Amino acid sequence: NAGVTQTPKFQVLKTGQSMTLQCAQDMNHEYMSWYRQDPGMGLRLIHYSVGAGITDQGEVPNGYNVSRSTTEDFPLRLLSAAPSQTSVYFCASSLTWGPHTYEQYFGPGTRLTVT
Amino acid sequence: QQQVKQSPQSLIVQKGGISIINCAYENTAFDYFPWYQQFPGKGPALLIAIRPDVSEKKEGRFTISFNKSAKQFSLHIMDSQPGDSATYFCAASAGGFKTIFGAGTRLFVKA
Repeated sequence: NAGVTQTPKFQVLKTGQSMTLQCAQDMNHEYMSWYRQDPGMGLRLIHYSVGAGITDQGEVPNGYNVSRSTTEDFPLRLLSAAPSQTSVYFCASSLTWGPHTYEQYFGPGTRLTVT
Repeated sequence: QQQVKQSPQSLIVQKGGISIINCAYENTAFDYFPWYQQFPGKGPALLIAIRPDVSEKKEGRFTISFNKSAKQFSLHIMDSQPGDSATYFCAASAGGFKTIFGAGTRLFVKA
């Protein structure tokens, strides 16, 4: 199993540009989520999904869109990049049933810089 | 307000010593309290987790102590090793969703 994969690893955008951060998992996890990590602030939840076709907002959803058309994929879209969105982005997934419920597996992250 | 407060921000421990990191939460609906370990350039990895029906959970050198009435929980790392040097995050969630993370503790274990 590849686990949780994220692409790209690094990205530089200009203010106003849009892009999609890709996330995929091959563990058949129902729950997937996106976080951003900024120095001294831990990880903050952007959006999450409990299954295909179902998404909801986290703590810091403004400026980001998500969709979940399959169990495996959960892309994060930046509509119009701003310097405040410079951060490291992590995707995570977990089961929602069984003895390992809630145990989140994280991807390697995407480091995004907006100039 | 859903919030998880973590302390200290940084910690230096001698090899073989005990590392202790504390967290406090506000939302009594939280029912799952994990700790994650993160090495530089990597994603966080689940270390150990506890649910509020027990007061302590131990896995190897790592122990979570949980105080439901005080709304506090802590991570103890026994016999700390240089390889434990990393950033540690506590977290909390209700029903496994909308996990709230603490700000993190940078641990350095001196050889």
